[in-house]
Amino acid sequence: GAVVSQHPSRVICKSGTSVKIECRSLDFQATTMFWYRQFPKQSLMLMATSNEGSKATYEQGVEKDKFLINHASLTLSTLTVTSAHPEDSSFYICSAKIRGTRSYNEQFFGPGTRLTVL
Amino acid sequence: AQSVTQLDSQVPVFEEAPVELRCNYSSSVSVYLFWYVQYPNQGLQLLLKYLSGSTLVKGINGFEAEFNKSQTSFHLRKPSVHISDTAEYFCAVSPLGNQFYFGTGTSLTVIP
Repeated sequence: GAVVSQHPSRVICKSGTSVKIECRSLDFQATTMFWYRQFPKQSLMLMATSNEGSKATYEQGVEKDKFLINHASLTLSTLTVTSAHPEDSSFYICSAKIRGTRSYNEQFFGPGTRLTVL
Repeated sequence: AQSVTQLDSQVPVFEEAPVELRCNYSSSVSVYLFWYVQYPNQGLQLLLKYLSGSTLVKGINGFEAEFNKSQTSFHLRKPSVHISDTAEYFCAVSPLGNQFYFGTGTSLTVIP
């Protein structure tokens, strides 16, 4: 099946620093990648939709200048949390939508990145 | 607009007993329906999905779900649970070709 990886799996940083999280589709091309945020014991909340070669579309309430998304290729999207603060600590999960129609409308999820801001 | 309601936040059940995790949704358009499982500190794994056709869908690990359009439900069932089924379960809907909307999750705990 389709595999999505995330790097790093876990990161701890100081308040005020920026953190970059990578999301890669390993064996398929993804026209669209999605970034979710999950607080402890809560559901996944969609943050933004990332399309290759174009600007990301952010959900209401998500600061685009704080959560920078770049989708430079059909297999890589990055999320940069700029000037991170403790309230940004969360579990970030990406997903990728496969190109073509074989697995239409199905998303494949990465294993997640645990961000802890001290 | 779409929304997903998982009525039970926590479900304890004894090993080898049956379990049902409830999911109701609302949508103004046709949707695809999904159940995912999440183990601690891991991403989501697809259990099963309903796209069209038979309303009874079978998935991995012995799980199945039934789509009921009139009741806008997509409940997940397993006839006999194992300790390894202890995890968080998420119901999700996806309008055709668009993003996913997740329920708040149900924590299933299997008691030995």
